Amino acid sequence: AQTVTQSQPEMSVQEAETVTLSCTYDTSENNYYLFWYKQPPSRQMILVIRQEAYKQQNATENRFSVNFQKAAKSFSLKISDSQLGDTAMYFCAFDIQGAQKLVFGQGTRLTINP
Amino acid sequence: KAGVTQTPRYLIKTRGQQVTLSCSPISGHRSVSWYQQTPGQGLQFLFEYFSETQRNKGNFPGRFSGRQFSNSRSEMNVSTLELGDSALYLCASSLVGSRNSPLHFGNGTRLTVT
Repeated sequence: AQTVTQSQPEMSVQEAETVTLSCTYDTSENNYYLFWYKQPPSRQMILVIRQEAYKQQNATENRFSVNFQKAAKSFSLKISDSQLGDTAMYFCAFDIQGAQKLVFGQGTRLTINP
Repeated sequence: KAGVTQTPRYLIKTRGQQVTLSCSPISGHRSVSWYQQTPGQGLQFLFEYFSETQRNKGNFPGRFSGRQFSNSRSEMNVSTLELGDSALYLCASSLVGSRNSPLHFGNGTRLTVT
């Protein structure tokens, strides 16, 4: 069975610092997508970044970047110059089929302190 | 462009009753997925509809059902409610239901079963 593991239940950093959230996954598939979503107190899940498994280049979206290690089945998220608005639950997710059947990790609660 | 709209935002039901939740996708989006979020089990996939057809189903009992209308709006129904059905139910839509179309989530419906 496909699983996603986020080993850090909570993290806290100071504003402007860089923080890295960890995610590992398990699958026997070769082609898949990986995602990071954030869920602020408003409850809406917001896509932060996504990575296609067949692409070796790590995805980047402004202050957000990933370190994708396919052999190690690792997909970490780095947030640079963290801002107060980055405070949220962050979920790592894996797409096991082409129809948005996402498998989510348990989440990491990230707090950015002023 | 309006986002994914879920109604109602909050719902309180009694054990044994049934409930219907509604989701209006982003205009033009034909795929609608449903997820259940609980503190214990995290985010779990319920089902996904595309062009009025259920394409994928998660591991939930038959009490959980859904449908999609010709305008892509979707409803999910839970019959014979149990206390464990208390959760945040998230709906997500995507443009064509493929890996190239990211999911856009609504704010969810918070269901409390007493």
